Amino acid sequence: RKEVEQDPGPFNVPEGATVAFNCTYSNSASQSFFWYRQDCRKEPKLLMSVYSSGNEDGRFTAQLNRASQYISLLIRDSKLSDSATYLCVVLSTGTASKLTFGTGTRLQVTL
Amino acid sequence: DGGITQSPKYLFRKEGQNVTLSCEQNLNHDAMYWYRQDPGQGLRLIYYSQIVNDFQKGDIAEGYSVSREKKESFPLTVTSAQKNPTAFYLCASSTRSYEQYFGPGTRLTVT
Repeated sequence: RKEVEQDPGPFNVPEGATVAFNCTYSNSASQSFFWYRQDCRKEPKLLMSVYSSGNEDGRFTAQLNRASQYISLLIRDSKLSDSATYLCVVLSTGTASKLTFGTGTRLQVTL
Repeated sequence: DGGITQSPKYLFRKEGQNVTLSCEQNLNHDAMYWYRQDPGQGLRLIYYSQIVNDFQKGDIAEGYSVSREKKESFPLTVTSAQKNPTAFYLCASSTRSYEQYFGPGTRLTVT
């Protein structure tokens, strides 16, 4: 089982739709969680950290479910500019802290 | 403006040559990282450094070397021992809470 798993998509949604992605992780000792956005042939950019209580930033909401070991990202009122690949990142601590990146979920928002 | 710079953006080399990729940051971050990204794969950690004059191997360090003589700089050398060097190379630095900020990347092609 991969340490961090994401559905690769693509998710094709019309503009204005609400879309949600999940990301599962295998290490129950994982401490911190992040969502990054990566545009085609560009570097990943931090979208938001995921807090235990969940957090919201405008149209984006992130949730953490420790019992089921997944995090989610909800995008409301999708815009064309939201089209990108969304990477889930998990921090595990132990003898050394380690960040593990998922392979990403591709979102395509259409007119 | 604070940020991370990588140069060059595109690099072409012949097989058997060593090549050094530059990474500079002025975010005053202690930790810096090198990743490679191959099509359809997640980011894989090559090397990281949490403090000046110290660095650690990541998951795929073979065929690579780094130095960290200054806080701002973390160059990566891709040696001729690296079997499949053609990839997108990303440098990042992070805050103490592990939020990572990436440079624009270098696309290396070795023929």
